[in-house]
Amino acid sequence: AQSVTQLDSHVSVSEGTPVLLRCNYSSSYSPSLFWYVQHPNKGLQLLLKYTSAATLVKGINGFEAEFKKSETSFHLTKPSAHMSDAAEYFCVVSETSNTGKLIFGQGTTLQVKP
Amino acid sequence: SAVISQKPSRDICQRGTSLTIQCQVDSQVTMMFWYRQQPGQSLTLIATANQGSEATYESGFVIDKFPISRPNLTFSTLTVSNMSPEDSSIYLCSVELLPGQGIYGYTFGSGTRLTVV
Repeated sequence: AQSVTQLDSHVSVSEGTPVLLRCNYSSSYSPSLFWYVQHPNKGLQLLLKYTSAATLVKGINGFEAEFKKSETSFHLTKPSAHMSDAAEYFCVVSETSNTGKLIFGQGTTLQVKP
Repeated sequence: SAVISQKPSRDICQRGTSLTIQCQVDSQVTMMFWYRQQPGQSLTLIATANQGSEATYESGFVIDKFPISRPNLTFSTLTVSNMSPEDSSIYLCSVELLPGQGIYGYTFGSGTRLTVV
């Protein structure tokens, strides 16, 4: 069965410094992996997705993630944090193809300090 | 990209009553999904709704508590029945987008924030 673990429940960075949000997954199949962002009192927004194409995935707002099969990781990075990046981030794995079931990590709260 | 309209956006309900949440998509989609996000928690799938068949419920969720309708390829409802304060959560619908409908992946409605008093 698939599972996903976000290694940090809370990350705090200063504006302009790099962001690293860590995610490890467990899957018996070639997984589809996603990162979503949820701003306070807002809906979920898809940042990026990996579906067995390029291992380095570029998303919106300058975010990217690298799929590392040997490490079963899919960490989210951004070179320079902006105040507007403060939000909750979810790493998500899709269960076996065609079921549509998404399994969410517990989330990482990103705080950006001025 | 496909747009999901979900309503109501929020509601405060008395315990013992029921609330029906609507989800409308501007594209035809095969599967629609309903999730629950309890306060301070991540999202958990409640059920998958396919048009023309009964919804498939995840472990811990039952049809009597969360009946779902899926009358066509663009619309679904989730009812939270006989509510208790423990049902206070955000409920979200989701659809899978296909190439040509926007960013390929799963998109979510803005959610219904339910408070049961």
